Amino acid sequence: KQEVTQIPAALSVPEGENLVLNCSFTDSAIYNLQWFRQDPGKGLTSLLLIQSSQREQTSGRLNASLDKSSGRSTLYIAASQPGDSATYLCAVRPGTGRRALTFGSGTRLQVQP
Amino acid sequence: GAVVSQHPSRVICKSGTSVKIECRSLDFQATTMFWYRQFPKKSLMLMATSNEGSKATYEQGVEKDKFLINHASLTLSTLTVTSAHPEDSSFYICSAIPTDLPYEQYFGPGTRLTVT
Repeated sequence: KQEVTQIPAALSVPEGENLVLNCSFTDSAIYNLQWFRQDPGKGLTSLLLIQSSQREQTSGRLNASLDKSSGRSTLYIAASQPGDSATYLCAVRPGTGRRALTFGSGTRLQVQP
Repeated sequence: GAVVSQHPSRVICKSGTSVKIECRSLDFQATTMFWYRQFPKKSLMLMATSNEGSKATYEQGVEKDKFLINHASLTLSTLTVTSAHPEDSSFYICSAIPTDLPYEQYFGPGTRLTVT
């Protein structure tokens, strides 16, 4: 059974800092890995999706990497802003069979102005 | 882009009553939809897979008689919480996979259910 772990569970940084969020998964047979943002009481916003054959994806100040063999992904946020404050979730889709995502427990990020 | 809607966005119901939540794919057809549940400060947990024209597949520990799922058309899946209890209070999120784009998955905005 796939398990997804995110570290740290919570993070508070001053504005302008670069930061790294970590995600690990136990079964490397994944189809893709996706990073989401969730604001309090809201739904999910997809940030980046990395296919299993890819090593990284970039969007603006965000960069996500994937090391499938070691079961790890990182989300790098450059020059953090207060508006980046949210919970960040990583989720993996299995390589075969059903297509539901398995989510990590999230990292709650607070960027202090 | 593909849009998935959920209705209602928030609902409060009394203990013992039933409540229905709708998940619609607005601009695409979806043979498969998923229902997830999220408790406060917890992650999303898959409840069931909803398949158009057939019975839903439930995850272990999810009562199929309590959480009724109907996927009667290619654009609509409904989740009915029957005989709701306060412990059913949660954030329910659906997702849909386009029939013609099986590698994509789009999420609804979620429904906040509070059972008093």
